[in-house]
Amino acid sequence: AQKVTQAQTEISVVEKEDVTLDCVYETRDTTYYLFWYKQPPSGELVFLIRRNSFDEQNEISGRYSWNFQKSTSSFNFTITASQVVDSAVYFCALSPVDDYKLSFGAGTTVTVRA
Amino acid sequence: GAGVSQSPRYKVAKRGQDVALRCDPISGHVSLFWYQQALGQGPEFLTYFQNEAQLDKSGLPSDRFFAERPEGSVSTLKIQRTQQEDSAVYLCASSHTGGGEKLFFGSGTQLSVL
Repeated sequence: AQKVTQAQTEISVVEKEDVTLDCVYETRDTTYYLFWYKQPPSGELVFLIRRNSFDEQNEISGRYSWNFQKSTSSFNFTITASQVVDSAVYFCALSPVDDYKLSFGAGTTVTVRA
Repeated sequence: GAGVSQSPRYKVAKRGQDVALRCDPISGHVSLFWYQQALGQGPEFLTYFQNEAQLDKSGLPSDRFFAERPEGSVSTLKIQRTQQEDSAVYLCASSHTGGGEKLFFGSGTQLSVL
């Protein structure tokens, strides 16, 4: 069974502040994928990143960065110098490598105020 | 079209009515998924198609829910005798092949059962 926990329900920041979203997961699988998706007010989920469980290198893409720590089963996401357009619900998700079903966390609503 | 298209965007049904939700995936995408998203929650897997074959329907909540993809492209999710607990956003997603890939989501159909 897979479980993804996003303990932060809502985060509100002022523009240009950094914001870190926590994600903790549980799985019995030895190989798996971790994902982050963004859901803006328009409703469609937008893919941000996929990380394979055997690749623990942190990743940076523009203002976004991800910290994967297998030892603590965490895959945290940081937005640096936040902007109003970053306001959305962010979901962390998990799937076994040999499966197609995504297990999502409950999401974290990020509000960036001008 | 360029993305996954879902219709209608909003649907209001009286309890006991049948509804049909349509999904038009990205052209050429083999895999198609339906997810259900309750208010304030992450999406929950409903069913999965590979071309026209429904390979997994383990997430369908009851036998009132039925999905089809007869020609391997457009899919329809049908809910018979709707109940209030069916109220949710129904998201469709597609991917080029299958498991572990990033999913392209539609904007969803928001179903309200009165």
